Amino acid sequence: EDKVVQSPLSLVVHEGDTVTLNCSYEVTNFRSLLWYKQEKKAPTFLFMLTSSGIEKKSGRLSSILDKKELFSILNITATQTGDSAVYLCAVGARSGDMEYGNKLVFGAGTILRVKS
Amino acid sequence: KAGVTQTPRYLIKTRGQQVTLSCSPISGHRSVSWYQQTPGQGLQFLFEYFSETQRNKGNFPGRFSGRQFSNSRSEMNVSTLELGDSALYLCASSLVAGTLPGAGGYTFGSGTRLTVV
Repeated sequence: EDKVVQSPLSLVVHEGDTVTLNCSYEVTNFRSLLWYKQEKKAPTFLFMLTSSGIEKKSGRLSSILDKKELFSILNITATQTGDSAVYLCAVGARSGDMEYGNKLVFGAGTILRVKS
Repeated sequence: KAGVTQTPRYLIKTRGQQVTLSCSPISGHRSVSWYQQTPGQGLQFLFEYFSETQRNKGNFPGRFSGRQFSNSRSEMNVSTLELGDSALYLCASSLVAGTLPGAGGYTFGSGTRLTVV
């Protein structure tokens, strides 16, 4: 059964701290790994990773994928209160015998709270 | 550009009824996926449509069905509603690049909150 595990489940940090969120996976027919930020309803896309060892960066956020060890990390530096959210890791995988298209298998998320 | 639009935002239905939810993808996106989000199970994949064809289906009973129209808009239908169907239903659209979504991944709508009483 496909599985995506995120850790920690929640954490509380102070503004300015650096945080590392973890995502490990066991998914058949892996194609991509995506990170999302969910504050209220709509998850917001952060990164999509398909190759090992290539860091993706956007402002204070960065992420990297290790396809050999089956995990990814999301780093947030100099955290701000606006970073408070649920961070979701999802693995895009081939579904069944369909050559195209993907299903996303989501982890439970990490709840991040940044205190001022 | 307009994002993914889901209607209605909220719905309250009685057990045994059926419901139809609508999703309009970003202009130019031909892939539409549906997800169910609950506190206990998190986000779970329902199905994916591309060019009016269902390409993938998750592990949900046949009461859950969907379709996609020629303009890429999609509808999801749940028949014979059960209390356990109460959830946030999210729709996501994407460009398609072979076996991967486009560089922007999947863009989610704000969802429809369904409550079954």
